[in-house]
Amino acid sequence: GDSVTQKQGQVTLSEDDFLFINCTYSTTTYPTLLWYVQYLGQGPQLLLKVTTANNKGISRGFEATYDKGTTSFHLQKASVQESDSAVYFCALVDLTSGSWQLIFGSGTQLTVMP
Amino acid sequence: GGIITQTPKFLIGQEGQKLTLKCQQNFNHDTMYWYRQDSGKGLRLIYYSITENDLQKGDLSEGYDASREKKSSFSLTVTSAQKNEMAVFLCASSLGGGQLYFGEGSKLTVL
Repeated sequence: GDSVTQKQGQVTLSEDDFLFINCTYSTTTYPTLLWYVQYLGQGPQLLLKVTTANNKGISRGFEATYDKGTTSFHLQKASVQESDSAVYFCALVDLTSGSWQLIFGSGTQLTVMP
Repeated sequence: GGIITQTPKFLIGQEGQKLTLKCQQNFNHDTMYWYRQDSGKGLRLIYYSITENDLQKGDLSEGYDASREKKSSFSLTVTSAQKNEMAVFLCASSLGGGQLYFGEGSKLTVL
C-alpha cells in the first residue's frame, strides 16, 4: 500500500539558517503531497500542498517541491526564525480508499535557537 | 472561519474504563476524522466518517468505537482504556483535497 517515510526526527538550527526536511513516498497513483505544521499546544495545520500539476508550493517563506525520480519531497526555507519552531509533518493523500485519507510521516521537531 | 472544538482537553481514566471524547465542527464539512498522536510516531487514523451516520475504520480502530449522529459532531470511545494508550487524540474535518482542519487535541492519561 501507499506509504510515507520521514527520517529526520529532530532538527536544531540557529536563526537565519537554511532549513531542509525530506520525506520519501510510495504510491501507485499520481501523488498529492502535503506539509503540515504543528505548533506547541495546537493541532496540525496545512502549510503547503504539492501535486503533479503544480510541482511546487510556496507559503509563508516555505517552499515544497517533489522529485518523481527519487519519489521524495522536500520542505525548505531560506532563513528560519525562532517562531518557526514546531513539528513538521509530511503527508501523502491516499486515494485507494475512495476518500481523501492522509498518510502522515512521523514528524520532524524543528527547534530554532535565537 | 470555522472551528473544531474537542472536549475534554484532558481526560484521566482508570485502566479498563470506557472513555469518550467528543468533537464539534462548524465548518459544515462532510468528512470527519479521529487520529491518535503518539510521540515520535506521527498521526495514525482511528476512524473517519464521510457523512452523518457513516463510519469507516482506519488502521488503528481496534479497541475504539465511534459515533456520528449529526453532521457537526463525531465522538470516539475508548472501549477499555489501557496504559499504553496514553496519547493525544486529534479530531479533524475536511471538504476534501487533502486539507484537514484539526482541533487542539485531547490528551488521555490512563492510571
